[in-house]
Amino acid sequence: NSKVIQTPRYLVKGQGQKAKMRCIPEKGHPVVFWYQQNKNNEFKFLINFQNQEVLQQIDMTEKRFSAECPSNSPCSLEIQSSEAGDSALYLCASRSRDKNTGQLYFGEGSKLTVL
Amino acid sequence: GDSVTQTEGPVTLSEGTSLTVNCSYETKQYPTLFWYVQYPGEGPQLLFKVPKANEKGSNRGFEATYNKEATSFHLQKASVQESDSAVYYCALSERSNYQLIWGSGTKLIIKP
Repeated sequence: NSKVIQTPRYLVKGQGQKAKMRCIPEKGHPVVFWYQQNKNNEFKFLINFQNQEVLQQIDMTEKRFSAECPSNSPCSLEIQSSEAGDSALYLCASRSRDKNTGQLYFGEGSKLTVL
Repeated sequence: GDSVTQTEGPVTLSEGTSLTVNCSYETKQYPTLFWYVQYPGEGPQLLFKVPKANEKGSNRGFEATYNKEATSFHLQKASVQESDSAVYYCALSERSNYQLIWGSGTKLIIKP
């Protein structure tokens, strides 16, 4: 059973609308990832955080997405202006600080459909 | 850069037959290797991980050996069940940062 909680499970937006997803990482995990998974099951890394700070992000995320992981609040990923190509499953994952063996723990995802 | 290549799916098998999903990797580092499984409607979950070369990982009848010389980490199961139908991902972790490098996933379909 996943201890990473993602909400909502499903969201439907029109093109140009904002789409916001939230994630509560597993307790004690300071590192949080967001991935986009397409219909072909391929993962695209979007952004990751350690505590409240961005570690890495791709160009698309920097330009079109807004993401944060405030202390004592859920992490969030928001698409500022949804496009049809953004329809995908958005997965949040968290892990420990141990770089040697720490695996990712995933939530069940937020499935976005952009009409 | 680092990369992971695995068997292209879908792979369709009959219940009770054996499974091999090939996974090869490229890295200049000393990674931990993972197999994840994703069932329909769920997020990926760890099947098992192997942090050290030449060791074997296993879970639920699945196993894989971290072969450093061959840079391979093939997933095997002696006798698959219908409930094994899922997408399987091979991945490696880069010790220099927190990233996981993912294979493209192999969809496994088990027929009764």
